[in-house]
Amino acid sequence: QLQLQESGSGLVKPSQTLSLTCAVSGGSISSGGYSWSWIRQPPGKGLEWIGYIYHSGSTYYNPSLKSRVTISVDRSKNQFSLKLSSVTAADTAVYYCARGVWDCSSTSCPQGYYFDYWGQGTLVTVSS
Amino acid sequence: QSVLTQPPSASGTPGQRVTISCSGSSSNIGSNYVYWYQQLPGTAPKLLIYRNNQRPSGVPDRFSGSKSGTSASLAISGLRSEDEADYYCAAWDDSLSGQNVVFGGGTKLTVL
Repeated sequence: QLQLQESGSGLVKPSQTLSLTCAVSGGSISSGGYSWSWIRQPPGKGLEWIGYIYHSGSTYYNPSLKSRVTISVDRSKNQFSLKLSSVTAADTAVYYCARGVWDCSSTSCPQGYYFDYWGQGTLVTVSS
Repeated sequence: QSVLTQPPSASGTPGQRVTISCSGSSSNIGSNYVYWYQQLPGTAPKLLIYRNNQRPSGVPDRFSGSKSGTSASLAISGLRSEDEADYYCAAWDDSLSGQNVVFGGGTKLTVL
C-alpha cells in the first residue's frame, strides 16, 4: 500500500521560504505514468492545487503560484519537495502531498487529473 | 472564490438521499471529467468518484456521480452518520490563463 508522509517546518516567518518534503513508501516514485503533487488547504477553507513533478524532474505549476513555487524530486530517497518563497499569512495552510493520475478518454488526453493517494497533511503557519 | 461552485452546506437524516451540486464552465466541467473527494473531519481528502461517475474500489455504491453540460452532482443514498464530511468537486481546467486543477469550495454535509 502506497504511503506518503509530509515533513518540514511548521512555522515560517513572513517573506521567508516555506520548505516541505514528501517521503513516499510502499512504491517507487519512479513508477511510470504517475506524477507527484502538492495541494494546500487554508484553515476552514477549500483545496488549492500547487503543482506537480515527474520522476524525470519535469514540473508544472498552478499559474497563480508559479512565480513563487519550486518542486523538486530526489529519486535516491524516493521523495519530492516543495519550496514556496516570499510567504505571507495567506500561505498559512495544511499542505498535502499526493500522487497524481492523468485521465484520458478515447478522443482526448488529458481529460482529467486526479489524486488517488494522499499524505496526512502538515500545517504550516506563517507568522513573525 | 473557487472556480467551481458548490453549496456551502447540505443536510439529511439517516436513510435519506442527498445530492450536492457543482457548477463550472466550458473550460472545466463542460469539457473534462469531474472528480469528487470526501474529507472526513481532521483527515486528508479521499477520492470518491472519478471520471464523472466511476467509483474506486472500496467506495460503497451508495455514492454516485453524474454530469450534464457544465454541471455535476454527487448523490448519496441511504445516508449514514459516517457520511458526515466535507465534499469537494474537482476538474481539469483548460483556460486562456493556463491549465490547472480547479476545486469547488466544498460542501459540508451534516447528518441530522
